[in-house]
Amino acid sequence: EPEVTQTPSHQVTQMGQEVILRCVPISNHLYFYWYRQILGQKVEFLVSFYNNEISEKSEIFDDQFSVERPDGSNFTLKIRSTKLEDSAMYFCASSEENGTPLHFGNGTRLTVT
Amino acid sequence: GDSVTQMEGPVTLSEEAFLTINCTYTATGYPSLFWYVQYPGEGLQLLLKATKADDKGSNKGFEATYRKETTSFHLEKGSVQVSDSAVYFCALRNAGGTSYGKLTFGQGTILTVHP
Repeated sequence: EPEVTQTPSHQVTQMGQEVILRCVPISNHLYFYWYRQILGQKVEFLVSFYNNEISEKSEIFDDQFSVERPDGSNFTLKIRSTKLEDSAMYFCASSEENGTPLHFGNGTRLTVT
Repeated sequence: GDSVTQMEGPVTLSEEAFLTINCTYTATGYPSLFWYVQYPGEGLQLLLKATKADDKGSNKGFEATYRKETTSFHLEKGSVQVSDSAVYFCALRNAGGTSYGKLTFGQGTILTVHP
């Protein structure tokens, strides 16, 4: 069964550094999402992306965050200048159409030191 | 805003025991409700869903019924197995939103099943 792939599985970075989290959504899916889960807290919506633009974003998704689909297969989340509180598990997801079930990747654990 | 509350965990059961994980929600409009499961080292997988009141979602022996009157979507299984050990997330998607992908999650419940 096709799956969403995320790399790396674990990323350690120093505060203030830029980090890029990578995702390869399922190939025929059109909608892409990023969620995050801070340890011990809820999974939170960050952003949705369709037709090469952001369709919705949460208040967490401030100017430090950006998303991009640089080619036909990758979907990236960039954090410009990481803070300690950005440490979390970041999940990428994709769906075939608007309203169809989301397929999640295994997540990237980001640790900011 | 929308919110989902799950029962506090962790939950520890013996094999073949009955499982209930409570989930209640607050939402405007007519949300769809979901249970996701996360096995160790894996991503979130859709377990079951219900899109309108009184619908029952079921999969792999798990069931949950959409109860509008009590704003609940409790997960049940009659006889759990060791392989059911995982984290279970209740979630809602509000059809009134502009993005149907925006899920609101509960905090997750860790289930451990012992032989």
